[in-house]
Amino acid sequence: LAKTTQPISMDSYEGQEVNITCSHNNIATNDYITWYQQFPSQGPRFIIQGYKTKVTNEVASLFIPADRKSSTLSLPRVSLSDTAVYYCLVGNSGYALNFGKGTSLLVTP
Amino acid sequence: EAGVAQSPRYKIIEKRQSVAFWCNPISGHATLYWYQQILGQGPKLLIQFQNNGVVDDSQLPKDRFSAERLKGVDSTLKIQPAKLEDSAVYLCASTLTSGGLETQYFGPGTRLLVL
Repeated sequence: LAKTTQPISMDSYEGQEVNITCSHNNIATNDYITWYQQFPSQGPRFIIQGYKTKVTNEVASLFIPADRKSSTLSLPRVSLSDTAVYYCLVGNSGYALNFGKGTSLLVTP
Repeated sequence: EAGVAQSPRYKIIEKRQSVAFWCNPISGHATLYWYQQILGQGPKLLIQFQNNGVVDDSQLPKDRFSAERLKGVDSTLKIQPAKLEDSAVYLCASTLTSGGLETQYFGPGTRLLVL
């Protein structure tokens, strides 16, 4: 399983764009990149998944450079309710996802 | 659509006691996962079931932990005897088929405190 590295914590003000970068130097050819969000006292929740270039949904965007050794989760105009832990995971069909420690995002007024 | 159900939500026991957790996945989901999440860490996979068969239990401490999914639907995770370091949140998740590409749907978890 590819190892991922992401910042332990980040702070932001409401209304700002937040970018969380994840490094995965050993990503395999058939691995996808998936991000989950976890609020206190809840299980993780799927945010977005991608293989290369850019993926966008109603919640976030995921940017993946050509070498795929890193990825950036972009949260536009965060609100207080976006305060959570964000996990970057790398894997493919047939393997359970490997959660690291994640990035704890704190959004303040 | 109903989500993943888990019970109990909280449990306090003394060390060396036994405890069991129950999970009912989303209807029709073939794959079920049990994770252990210690405070301040990400979830760690304990066991993965595909229908009623075990796919991966390499990180399950088999001397004290056991899990079953007899009819390929709901599942139980048991700890016997419990240790202080077993204090954690136990999360159950399910996917429609197998593998990491599928979105995993998590239950609310069972918070275990071992005294």
